[in-house]
Amino acid sequence: EVQLVQSGAEVKKPGESLKISCKGSGYSFTSYWIGWVRQMPGKGLEWMGIIYPADSDTRYSPSFQGQVTISADRSINTAYLQWTSLEASDTAMYYCARQDGSGQPSDYWGQGTLVTVSS
Amino acid sequence: DIVMTQSPDSLAVSLGEKATINCKSSQSVLYSSNSKNYLAWYQQKPGQPPKLLIYWASTRKSGVPDRFSGSGSGTDFTLTISSLQAEDVAVYYCQQYYSSPLTFGGGTKVEIK
Repeated sequence: EVQLVQSGAEVKKPGESLKISCKGSGYSFTSYWIGWVRQMPGKGLEWMGIIYPADSDTRYSPSFQGQVTISADRSINTAYLQWTSLEASDTAMYYCARQDGSGQPSDYWGQGTLVTVSS
Repeated sequence: DIVMTQSPDSLAVSLGEKATINCKSSQSVLYSSNSKNYLAWYQQKPGQPPKLLIYWASTRKSGVPDRFSGSGSGTDFTLTISSLQAEDVAVYYCQQYYSSPLTFGGGTKVEIK
């Protein structure tokens, strides 16, 4: 069974750093891309970027380029999304999702990680 | 970026009746070399992650009930729920995966009348 299990909810202060994770199982982790999607409170879905764990090829949406870093550790089947300096506007639910190609839909999704940034 | 526009923003349909959601892209998502429309539909129930329903505009993902169907080509697409069930209450999103960045429509909330 394909599963993407994300790390737990986080509460952070503005200016702090954060790295959240997404662990894949039930499939060949290095054969699929992992993407990240933001959903701000009460809002729609925004595609942030993707990574191919086999070689760490990474693509970002221009809206998120320079704001976050996507990485992966193929030895432990885990992808990451990180911030160096959080802002209140980063408060959102973040989903990881599997893509069978950089130009493919997301066929399996993680349960989401809620990030709250508040002073 | 390709802009995806969904309509309506919300709709209320009686149980057993048909629900129709529209999605329009700012440019064609039909790839001429393979004649495929790079368009997907997702369902998101409250408190849950999105779930892929349809890809290539009209191909249902395995396990998705056949009351869900997708149609359209080029820039205009439709998701139809032929006979609305209580468990179909959700927000539905279209997404283009023709070009990066992948983009979603704003969502359509489906409720029971």
